[in-house]
Amino acid sequence: SQQGEEDPQALSIQEGENATMNCSYKTSINNLQWYRQNSGRGLVHLILIRSNEREKHSGRLRVTLDTSKKSSSLLITASRAADTASYFCATESTSGTYKYIFGTGTRLKVLA
Amino acid sequence: EPEVTQTPSHQVTQMGQEVILRCVPISNHLYFYWYRQILGQKVEFLVSFYNNEISEKSEIFDDQFSVERPDGSNFTLKIRSTKLEDSAMYFCASSEAPTPLHFGNGTRLTVT
Repeated sequence: SQQGEEDPQALSIQEGENATMNCSYKTSINNLQWYRQNSGRGLVHLILIRSNEREKHSGRLRVTLDTSKKSSSLLITASRAADTASYFCATESTSGTYKYIFGTGTRLKVLA
Repeated sequence: EPEVTQTPSHQVTQMGQEVILRCVPISNHLYFYWYRQILGQKVEFLVSFYNNEISEKSEIFDDQFSVERPDGSNFTLKIRSTKLEDSAMYFCASSEAPTPLHFGNGTRLTVT
């Protein structure tokens, strides 16, 4: 199975702290993406990192990718209560065609 | 900002009935996807659709399921003879390039 596994499953932090979520996957990938899901809503794309990239930044987000370990991390710096959501990684297999497999998600709660 | 629209937001049906879930993708998008999510847990890939045909489908997407793009704007998922375990949130997504995916807010399907 290509499916990613995020850890931790749930994370609770205070506003202003950094939040780190990890994703592991099993097959070779073209790229890895992170999405956010607010309760009862659809997923929203946050950032994409290609297999030949090691780190990428977007605002308060920092993503790393280690293809040798088949893992990625998402760091949210200076978290806000509005960052409370579930975060999913999604991978595109090198063998798949337009097939993006999502992980199990990390539920982040940021306490004000 | 353009968005993916899904209707209905909630569908209740009896076991064995057929349901059609409707999606209006973003107008210039070429790639279409259906995912489902059970009880706020993992997001499962069902099918991807490009150039008026299925690109990829998962093991879940068996003969019970079908997709159609009946006109230039709609993208539908039909579930024949629904089962209790089909109860889930069904998300439609579209994209201009294969990625990133833009998701609708989902249809909650309840099979009784």
